[in-house]
Amino acid sequence: QITLKESGPTLVKTTQTLTLTCSFSGFSLSVRGVGVAWIRQRPGKALEWLALIYWDDDKRYTPSLKSRLTITRVPFKDQVVLTMTNVDPVDTGTYYCAHNSPDSRFYYYIDVWGQGTTVTVSS
Amino acid sequence: SYELTQPPSVSVSPGQTARITCSGDVLAKKYAFWYQQKSGQAPALVIYEDYKRPSGIPERFSGSTSGTMATLTISGAQVEDEADYHCYSTDNSGEHRGVFGGGTKLTVL
Repeated sequence: QITLKESGPTLVKTTQTLTLTCSFSGFSLSVRGVGVAWIRQRPGKALEWLALIYWDDDKRYTPSLKSRLTITRVPFKDQVVLTMTNVDPVDTGTYYCAHNSPDSRFYYYIDVWGQGTTVTVSS
Repeated sequence: SYELTQPPSVSVSPGQTARITCSGDVLAKKYAFWYQQKSGQAPALVIYEDYKRPSGIPERFSGSTSGTMATLTISGAQVEDEADYHCYSTDNSGEHRGVFGGGTKLTVL
């Protein structure tokens, strides 16, 4: 059974760097074909895809936030970390990590979600 | 604006058929996926690869596509189906980035 759980600060100050950790079980990110993505949902807004890391350490970022995001895997641990620099109150929201699998056309989709972690950015 | 466009809301009475659309150029070549998000919960996959149902998803949930539009159909909607529904696909950048629609609030009452 695949499970993921997000952790990190609930409150960060404007301009600080936000670091979120995704701890997972039931799969290995070293296995070919696996990916872990981060998605956020700002209050009253739609889901927003942020970043994806593949089993081979290849990475993808949403263009609008690419300069502020870094997704990495933690060596020897079943964890993926997302850092977001220079946060602003508009970054307030719930952040989810999720297991990704390839579809039959080899594009990746989210098949299992974590429960999410809520982050508030305040001055 | 979003690469995938959904109606903000759909409302049906219990037992009626609810249809939620998702349109976008990417759907001409990429699959559509649908997620159900009940209040206060994380999203959950209900349809993948346009029309396939994950195990455990009731048969009343179905998906279809035509051209650049995908449709999620809930036949005989139940009160417990009231939720936000999000469509998802992959963008056309060649970078394999995910994209979501704006979400649709389904009200069943």
